[in-house]
Amino acid sequence: ETGVTQTPRHLVMGMTNKKSLKCEQHLGHNAMYWYKQSAKKPLELMFVYSLEERVENNSVPSRFSPECPNSSHLFLHLHTLQPEDSALYLCASSQEGGGTGELFFGEGSRLTVL
Amino acid sequence: DAKTTQPPSMDCAEGRAANLPCNHSTISGNEYVYWYRQIHSQGPQYIIHGLKNNETNEMASLIITEDRKSSTLILPHATLRDTAVYYCIVRVARGGTGANNLFFGTGTRLTVIP
Repeated sequence: ETGVTQTPRHLVMGMTNKKSLKCEQHLGHNAMYWYKQSAKKPLELMFVYSLEERVENNSVPSRFSPECPNSSHLFLHLHTLQPEDSALYLCASSQEGGGTGELFFGEGSRLTVL
Repeated sequence: DAKTTQPPSMDCAEGRAANLPCNHSTISGNEYVYWYRQIHSQGPQYIIHGLKNNETNEMASLIITEDRKSSTLILPHATLRDTAVYYCIVRVARGGTGANNLFFGTGTRLTVIP
């Protein structure tokens, strides 16, 4: 139990579907992150929400849309994905501006796009 | 761009010390060195971090050179459960959540051999 919970753990979707990944952190942190990990590739930072400000990796395509309604919840909305988007999507949280800055990761949501 | 370089793989005999090197020659004065590990298909797990002094916790020791351009993570008595990919990253610990500060790289795949 890491304090960061991701659902669903596994998701299979077609290219025309719309789905969402959910992340919830129970650690009282003020920053949350989405990472993508494709097979045999390093972790790729996608989005950061920190102190209600959003930072994004400019290489992330618009078919990925993050939403952070409050400091404890983070969503990744998915629409018209491509097979190459199949990957492990990891959520993390941290306490910025006074904490140690370490990231706490969830177990990930494994996405398969058919 | 990668801010750290690590060997792609290492082997270690069970019960022996595992010494994992990391080069970070462009590290800034306010950047910490963090180590994480990722066991297959799980979220990365925080191990240890430091600024310039050597650090030790229940999991590992971190040795940082005096010029801070490299560091070594030491697992004193490696077990089979320590088989994982180990990531060395540098980042600002306080208030720095820009994407450039959270680059994981390809890490070192450590295999502990019985």
